[in-house]
Amino acid sequence: KNEVEQSPQNLTAQEGEFITINCSYSVGISALHWLQQHPGGGIVSLFMLSSGKKKHGRLIATINIQEKHSSLHITASHPRDSAVYICAVRFDTGNQFYFGTGTSLTVIP
Amino acid sequence: GAGVSQSPSNKVTEKGKDVELRCDPISGHTALYWYRQSLGQGLEFLIYFQGNSAPDKSGLPSDRFSAERTGGSVSTLTIQRTQQEDSAVYLCASSLVGRIMNTEAFFGQGTRLTVV
Repeated sequence: KNEVEQSPQNLTAQEGEFITINCSYSVGISALHWLQQHPGGGIVSLFMLSSGKKKHGRLIATINIQEKHSSLHITASHPRDSAVYICAVRFDTGNQFYFGTGTSLTVIP
Repeated sequence: GAGVSQSPSNKVTEKGKDVELRCDPISGHTALYWYRQSLGQGLEFLIYFQGNSAPDKSGLPSDRFSAERTGGSVSTLTIQRTQQEDSAVYLCASSLVGRIMNTEAFFGQGTRLTVV
């Protein structure tokens, strides 16, 4: 069964804190995306990973293929980072993406 | 434009009416996906188009839902006789090729559908 699990479901942080959001999946993948969804519903793709690590500004995404696990890190968090972060995985066995339930992040000034 | 474009961004419709949602993928992208996100729920797969192959319709929730992709580019998702449970954000994504490693998918901003 193809499954994607995210944790935590909700996260509240003080401005400046280092944040980690986790994504685990059950079987081999061909691609993993981290998405950001703002309160208005619009979705932005942050990263696409198949191995290693990527960095963009204060955002860092890592993936460990052997452990079937990816993390999204936000350094020096800011209130504008408040959003829902979603892990999306395409498994080796199919064409579609499967999504985690999302992590709702609130950064307090 | 450079990204995946969806229209309208918001749609309010009366129960029982038909609606059409449009997705303009990135030019040259052969794979196109439709998903929806109901309130408080995760994203749910609806349909997948890949080139000239028959679409994967396994996620369509009922026969009121249909989608087409004309000329391998623009896609329209049609919901007939809308019901309140159809209210959701409908999301479109495209990628260059469906299953090749390292192929990045690009997501549209979504269409928020409200059935009243």
